[in-house]
Amino acid sequence: GAVVSQHPSRVICKSGTSVKIECRSLDFQATTMFWYRQFPKKSLMLMATSNEGSKATYEQGVEKDKFLINHASLTLSTLTVTSAHPEDSSFYICSARVGETQYFGPGTRLLVL
Amino acid sequence: AQSVTQLGSHVSVSEGALVLLRCNYSSSVPPYLFWYVQYPNQGLQLLLKYTTGATLVKGINGFEAEFKKSETSFHLTKPSAHMSDAAEYFCAVNTYTGTASKLTFGTGTRLQVTL
Repeated sequence: GAVVSQHPSRVICKSGTSVKIECRSLDFQATTMFWYRQFPKKSLMLMATSNEGSKATYEQGVEKDKFLINHASLTLSTLTVTSAHPEDSSFYICSARVGETQYFGPGTRLLVL
Repeated sequence: AQSVTQLGSHVSVSEGALVLLRCNYSSSVPPYLFWYVQYPNQGLQLLLKYTTGATLVKGINGFEAEFKKSETSFHLTKPSAHMSDAAEYFCAVNTYTGTASKLTFGTGTRLQVTL
């Protein structure tokens, strides 16, 4: 149980384009999902908390207009990186919360050329 | 405020040897503590968690951790390391801001297992 999927697993895009990453809870419903960014050999940095049916809560320093989050259903949250630039290249990981436990997706590797 | 300190960014053990990964926490409320493992280019997998009750928690892959309130520690152990245990390990504590909760992670410990 508590399986979280992400799609795509990796994506390469041109600078200036937008990329959408999906996070799905496969066998449970999640009112709250989280989006993280991880730099090489570093820990996870929380970007935002995604709440079903309401606006996401962004961490300090994260541009909400650049990283658009939508949590339209209890099993799906999406992160859209708008007007991507090379510095947005990173490993993006989502999680879904069950009680006090977060279950993580496999991550999405984004490379912006 | 809650925080987590993982001592040792890199730990190397021989196959078959004891694994000990250290985690100390700071929390103003009774903590919920977690250990996650991350293999290269993958997400995080929950190894074990402590919420309430028994302080010795058993997880997957033979790992266990003991919550010691007096020492504010939640060290991860495994009696005998296997090559497949080589990965990055993260300790985390629940952090509360108002009614919202989120995880605060340690900086991670890379476990290397040698023959």
